[in-house]
Amino acid sequence: DAKTTQPTSMDCAEGRAANLPCNHSTISGNEYVYWYRQIHSQGPQYIIHGLKNNETNEMASLIITEDRKSSTLILPHATLRDTAVYYCIVGAQNRKLIWGLGTSLAVNP
Amino acid sequence: GAVVSQHPSRVICKSGTSVKIECRSLDFQATTMFWYRQFPKQSLMLMATSNEGSKATYEQGVEKDKFLINHASLTLSTLTVTSAHPEDSSFYICSALTGGSGNQPQHFGDGTRLSIL
Repeated sequence: DAKTTQPTSMDCAEGRAANLPCNHSTISGNEYVYWYRQIHSQGPQYIIHGLKNNETNEMASLIITEDRKSSTLILPHATLRDTAVYYCIVGAQNRKLIWGLGTSLAVNP
Repeated sequence: GAVVSQHPSRVICKSGTSVKIECRSLDFQATTMFWYRQFPKQSLMLMATSNEGSKATYEQGVEKDKFLINHASLTLSTLTVTSAHPEDSSFYICSALTGGSGNQPQHFGDGTRLSIL
């Protein structure tokens, strides 16, 4: 599976959009981009995934570049409860996923 | 939908004790379940992949005789840490996957914090 690169930490003001970047330059054609988040001492929570088209659900939007080498997770109106570690992972879900250290997002009041 | 329940949430026990952790998919059938371990300030490390009715596939460096995995039904997988020692103290997390196309996301339980004294 391809590896990803994410910033170690980010800050965001409550109510503003949080844009979390991810680089996955070695992604292969059949691999999806998945985003999860982990709130302290809990299991990861699935957020969204996509192949090449932009995706949106009730939690977030996923923007994937045309060359698929990077993506951005957008939380449109961040709240304090969105403070968590956000993981960007590429691969197929029925195969082993390689988890990095993610981005620690702090939403500030 | 896609709720995964993990039990217990926390275990504290003496060295040498065996500990069983259960992972249940509550509203779907999980053809595949995964077991992860997470040490403080580190990321999730896959321990093993478990398919219903067959033997688990362990990752390199994970002792299959120490971490016994059973996936006897489509809604239940168990991880037993045998003769646990302090170095086995960690956060253990399971995830479950439905069948179907390969792009379906894994859904995770809330984890079990294991502390061996």
